[in-house]
Amino acid sequence: NAGVTQTPKFRVLKTGQSMTLLCAQDMNHEYMYWYRQDPGMGLRLIHYSVGEGTTAKGEVPDGYNVSRLKKQNFLLGLESAAPSQTSVYFCASSYSRYRGRGAPLHFGNGTRLTVT
Amino acid sequence: QQQVKQSPQSLIVQKGGISIINCAYENTAFDYFPWYQQFPGKGPALLIAIRPDVSEKKEGRFTISFNKSAKQFSLHIMDSQPGDSATYFCAASPQGTSGTYKYIFGTGTRLKVLA
Repeated sequence: NAGVTQTPKFRVLKTGQSMTLLCAQDMNHEYMYWYRQDPGMGLRLIHYSVGEGTTAKGEVPDGYNVSRLKKQNFLLGLESAAPSQTSVYFCASSYSRYRGRGAPLHFGNGTRLTVT
Repeated sequence: QQQVKQSPQSLIVQKGGISIINCAYENTAFDYFPWYQQFPGKGPALLIAIRPDVSEKKEGRFTISFNKSAKQFSLHIMDSQPGDSATYFCAASPQGTSGTYKYIFGTGTRLKVLA
């Protein structure tokens, strides 16, 4: 099992450019998430999906869009990149619940994005 | 905005010492409290987790202590080793069927264990 795979690992964009981050999981998880990690800010939820074809906004959704056309894939798009979007982006997946309580998140290894 | 407050921001411990990281939460509806460990260049990985119906959970050298009345929980790393050097995040997940995607993370603690 590969777990959660993110591509690309690194990317540099100029302000105003667009790009898509790809996330794939092979654990048959219902839920998928996109987080950004910034120094001193912890992990902040951008968007999430509770199933194929459904998406919802998280804590910091502005400037990002997502799609989940297949259960195993979750795409994060930046339509017009800004320097404030320089960050490390993590995709995660989980079951909906586990033994009736919160389910562990399984993270990918991240995409380091720099916007100049 | 629900919060989980984590301290300290950074921690330096001698090899063999005890590392202690603390978290405090506000929402009494949280029912799952995991700790994640993150090494440089990697994603966070689940280390240990606790439910609020127990006061302590131990897995090897790692122990979570939970104080429901004070709304606090902490991670203790006994006999700390240089290989434990990483960033640690606490988190909390609320009750209810809609809970999992509302994980709230602490801001992280960077632990360095000196050889």
